[in-house]
Amino acid sequence: GAVVSQHPSWVICKSGTSVKIECRSLDFQATTMFWYRQFPKQSLMLMATSNEGSKATYEQGVEKDKFLINHASLTLSTLTVTSAHPEDSSFYICSASSLSGANVLTFGAGSRLTVL
Amino acid sequence: GQSLEQPSEVTAVEGAIVQINCTYQTSGFYGLSWYQQHDGGAPTFLSYNALDGLEETGRFSSFLSRSDSYGYLLLQELQMKDSASYFCAVGDSNYQLIWGAGTKLIIKP
Repeated sequence: GAVVSQHPSWVICKSGTSVKIECRSLDFQATTMFWYRQFPKQSLMLMATSNEGSKATYEQGVEKDKFLINHASLTLSTLTVTSAHPEDSSFYICSASSLSGANVLTFGAGSRLTVL
Repeated sequence: GQSLEQPSEVTAVEGAIVQINCTYQTSGFYGLSWYQQHDGGAPTFLSYNALDGLEETGRFSSFLSRSDSYGYLLLQELQMKDSASYFCAVGDSNYQLIWGAGTKLIIKP
């Protein structure tokens, strides 16, 4: 079945630094990848949708200059949290769809970011 | 606005059957999906209904009634490992998933 690898699983950083999270589809080509964040005991919040070779589409309220998304190939998307602050501490999860618009998503294992 | 409603918490006994309901109001409808998420983990796909009726996958079944904008996830022969949060999600006219807030399933021995 489809597998999405996300790295790192957890990261602790100082306020003001930037953190990059990678999301790779291992055995399929992901035309569309989605980035979510999830606060404790809450649902998934879609941050942005990225399509290979084009700019990401950000959800309302998500700062595109703060959360940089690059989807340079059909198997790799990256999320960079720039100048991270404690309020950015969250669980970030990527997911991929092998068909654009498909309802069945394969999720990465998630990355837990703690900003001190 | 778009919304999905599901109970915040359900409690059941090991070996029993439990049903988690989901009602939705979205712009467009492109199927109802269910995902399971254990504490600290990422969601995993359970089932998908595009048409009315029941879909069965082992101990789990999912039902959809588009005329009622309603679906449910049925878990049979509950095991302790089924303790998790369960999310329903609907594909909307923008080809994105709209997520419910999740139902925490607590299973007692």
